[in-house]
Amino acid sequence: GQQLNQSPQSMFIQEGEDVSMNCTSSSIFNTWLWYKQDPGEGPVLLIALYKAGELTSNGRLTAQFGITRKDSFLNISASIPSDVGIYFCASQRSNFGNEKLTFGTGTRLTIIP
Amino acid sequence: NAGVTQTPKFQVLKTGQSMTLQCAQDMNHNSMYWYRQDPGMGLRLIYYSASEGTTDKGEVPNGYNVSRLNKREFSLRLESAAPSQTSVYFCASSQQGGYEKLFFGSGTQLSVL
Repeated sequence: GQQLNQSPQSMFIQEGEDVSMNCTSSSIFNTWLWYKQDPGEGPVLLIALYKAGELTSNGRLTAQFGITRKDSFLNISASIPSDVGIYFCASQRSNFGNEKLTFGTGTRLTIIP
Repeated sequence: NAGVTQTPKFQVLKTGQSMTLQCAQDMNHNSMYWYRQDPGMGLRLIYYSASEGTTDKGEVPNGYNVSRLNKREFSLRLESAAPSQTSVYFCASSQQGGYEKLFFGSGTQLSVL
């Protein structure tokens, strides 16, 4: 089936550093979503993107919907300990929520004390 | 605010045993889903229920059955557990098949020996 490739697979950073991760596909998608999964919990939606080129922020998080509609980027500025977790991108081809989501394989973020 | 509640949190089974994972949501959502999460694989959809009284196969349905007991509850059954079903299972719900606004439970960690 469809596949979303996330990179990097894992990141080890120090508190206060900025973080960048991306998600790419060989197919076009019209909705891009970013979820965060805290240890021992289910994923929680962070940001949703619906338009190519769209740049959306949620606090220290900024995500962009790539112009080609085959990729998306998530940036976290000035990381803090509670940013630890796994970040998943997810996509669907429609904008109307009537289609199954495809999830990426995740980027695991660890903060080194 | 309970949201999506899954039980049990942890389970160990022997090969061939059966069990049912329970899920309930208190948000009056129409749609409910079961996902499994495996290392390096992201989240994969097992079964979903777009509305009370309907169920459909997802990406990886083999070896599982589901029951949408009522609007609140959606259970996942393993009739004869296999080691390949060792995984973390997540239940999720959404308002109206709106995949982007999925609310996840905290997961069930299942080990099949």
